[in-house]
Amino acid sequence: ETGVTQSPTHLIKTRGQQVTLRCSSQSGHNTVSWYQQALGQGPQFIFQYYREEENGRGNFPPRFSGLQFPNYSSELNVNALELDDSALYLCASSLSGRLPSTDTQYFGPGTRLTVL
Amino acid sequence: AQSVTQPDIHITVSEGASLELRCNYSYGATPYLFWYVQSPGQGLQLLLKYFSGDTLVQGIKGFEAEFKRSQSSFNLRKPSVHWSDAAEYFCAVAPRGSGGSNYKLTFGKGTLLTVNP
Repeated sequence: ETGVTQSPTHLIKTRGQQVTLRCSSQSGHNTVSWYQQALGQGPQFIFQYYREEENGRGNFPPRFSGLQFPNYSSELNVNALELDDSALYLCASSLSGRLPSTDTQYFGPGTRLTVL
Repeated sequence: AQSVTQPDIHITVSEGASLELRCNYSYGATPYLFWYVQSPGQGLQLLLKYFSGDTLVQGIKGFEAEFKRSQSSFNLRKPSVHWSDAAEYFCAVAPRGSGGSNYKLTFGKGTLLTVNP
């Protein structure tokens, strides 16, 4: 039990639609990262937020966007869904932000998105 | 660009047998190194991590890993596997100097472990 929760657990959308996935971090965790895990693959880094500002982005198009809120919750939004967006989406939260530390990233159970 | 290779897609061992899962990385400088485990329907759980210091790292659930700079490897080991260890295991790296917990992880494709009774 990491204290990181995600909702919904499963979601089915059709191509072209928009989707919002939610993550609730552990209290006090200022950093949240989002990862996409396609079937049979390892997770791929999408982006990271620190104190409500984007703090790095992976190789994902702008239709993937995020928000982080002061209450330690965050969202991943995906516009114009494509079939290849079908994946498990994981969020991970951690205590520290920009300064080096050895704090652990704690992962949530993920949201399984299916795009038809 | 950094990459992580887990050469074994699927490994089957008998309960009580020893286990070694391989991980090789390609990187300009020694990165931070991690092993995660993922059970069906679960998120990723950190088993252990290497930032610096002793190259033999102890983790949870009786796992250990050894960093070998000369081989760019970070193999995961367990002396005696339990049926509950059946899961998928991921090796991951993050660039050194990028910060601690705000690092951006690059994962391998994973090794699925099956444990026979």
